[in-house]
Amino acid sequence: QSALTQPASVSGSPGQSITISCTGTSSDVGNYNLVSWYQQHPDKAPKLMIYEGSKRPSGVSNRFSGSKSGNTASLTISGLQAEDEADYYCCSYAGSSTWVFGGGTKLTVL
Amino acid sequence: EVQLVESGGGLVQPGRSLRLSCAASGFTFDDYAMHWVRQTPGKGLEWVSGINWNSGNIGYADSVKGRFTISRDSAKNSLYLQMDSLRAEDTALYYCAKDTHYDSSGPDYWGQGTLVTVSS
Repeated sequence: QSALTQPASVSGSPGQSITISCTGTSSDVGNYNLVSWYQQHPDKAPKLMIYEGSKRPSGVSNRFSGSKSGNTASLTISGLQAEDEADYYCCSYAGSSTWVFGGGTKLTVL
Repeated sequence: EVQLVESGGGLVQPGRSLRLSCAASGFTFDDYAMHWVRQTPGKGLEWVSGINWNSGNIGYADSVKGRFTISRDSAKNSLYLQMDSLRAEDTALYYCAKDTHYDSSGPDYWGQGTLVTVSS
């Protein structure tokens, strides 16, 4: 159960697009279409942004999208807004009823 | 509206036990898997344990296996985490989270967390 690998930080200007990667292994990300992405603002509980790899919960902006290639999942945020500045975490099913999170990525909107 | 309210956290000495509870409302509790996830202050999220709708599938992180026990009570719409042999590294904010699916598809709604501090 090793943590998934995310970049520590990414940044972008308002209106731009950014992509956050989440690299796992063939035992987790690569083997299941069960990757979720969460947004967490300071002192707040995480909020689900993407589930099952690319599905958006009701109420989440269509500026957020998810994809996967091999052992790497990605979250793309288009049309960056100031309110998108937060920490983002990926999470993948890892088999045998276990799950694993990424280390988190701090998004800064310049 | 989905509501998850955790309780039971506090200051405990190393080696002692603590039982966390999570009261669920606003959804049909029996229809969803549930999770416990923890976060060390200023650090990232760590999945701790999960249980499917009928308690038939249960999983634990390696870091807590053999020490923590997850359970659920449909009559009380509640999720529990029995934490034994606590260590300093178990100090964290513990979140209860609802799954998107009955068997487990990943957490969606989260509570506000309960803080556990393990220290002598």
